[in-house]
Amino acid sequence: GAGVSQSPRYKVAKRGQDVALRCDPISGHVSLFWYQQALGQGPEFLTYFQNEAQLDKSGLPSDRFFAERPEGSVSTLKIQRTQQEDSAVYLCASIRRGIRAGETQYFGPGTRLLVL
Amino acid sequence: TQLLEQSPQFLSIQEGENLTVYCNSSSVFSSLQWYRQEPGEGPVLLVTVVTGGEVKKLKRLTFQFGDARKDSSLHITAAQPGDTGLYLCAGNTNAGKSTFGDGTTLTVKP
Repeated sequence: GAGVSQSPRYKVAKRGQDVALRCDPISGHVSLFWYQQALGQGPEFLTYFQNEAQLDKSGLPSDRFFAERPEGSVSTLKIQRTQQEDSAVYLCASIRRGIRAGETQYFGPGTRLLVL
Repeated sequence: TQLLEQSPQFLSIQEGENLTVYCNSSSVFSSLQWYRQEPGEGPVLLVTVVTGGEVKKLKRLTFQFGDARKDSSLHITAAQPGDTGLYLCAGNTNAGKSTFGDGTTLTVKP
């Protein structure tokens, strides 16, 4: 079956531009996560959805970052007025059921964002 | 903030050698996971360890969870070039949130 897909795979934005990153989780997966991975570092949690509900957005670095999952499947991470420090790989992961310890997260390939 | 420290940060070895990488924290986790990430791809889960002192083996890979559930190690026997990649550990709380370390970049030379 299809895994988690993300688009675009690469995005170059000028500083100040708005960007939208898309995640298609595995069909039927209840939980969806967004992570930010800076060069040479591990993924850092941004936000989490269970179905369409955003249950945790504590990792979003600023109010320029906004995520939604209106129908409980596809999710979009939007970054407004991009800054150079937003340059990173943005990873999406999905889990079959609700969040609980030890569940397998299936990651997409990520979107590599470069802000010039 | 729960921090996971991984060591070494970089490791370059010859094919056939053995190696161990470490993941340490001052926090207790309900479970810990090891992932491998290749360039341009997302992390792929290798194993989940749940019980303190647990040892799991996957072919040439041996994973151990510390008795106090604060640390873990990954041992690879007779490394192969296909083992090259970024090895990440992630600690999980009962709420299910994952905290990742910064990884060990392993290069196995033929």
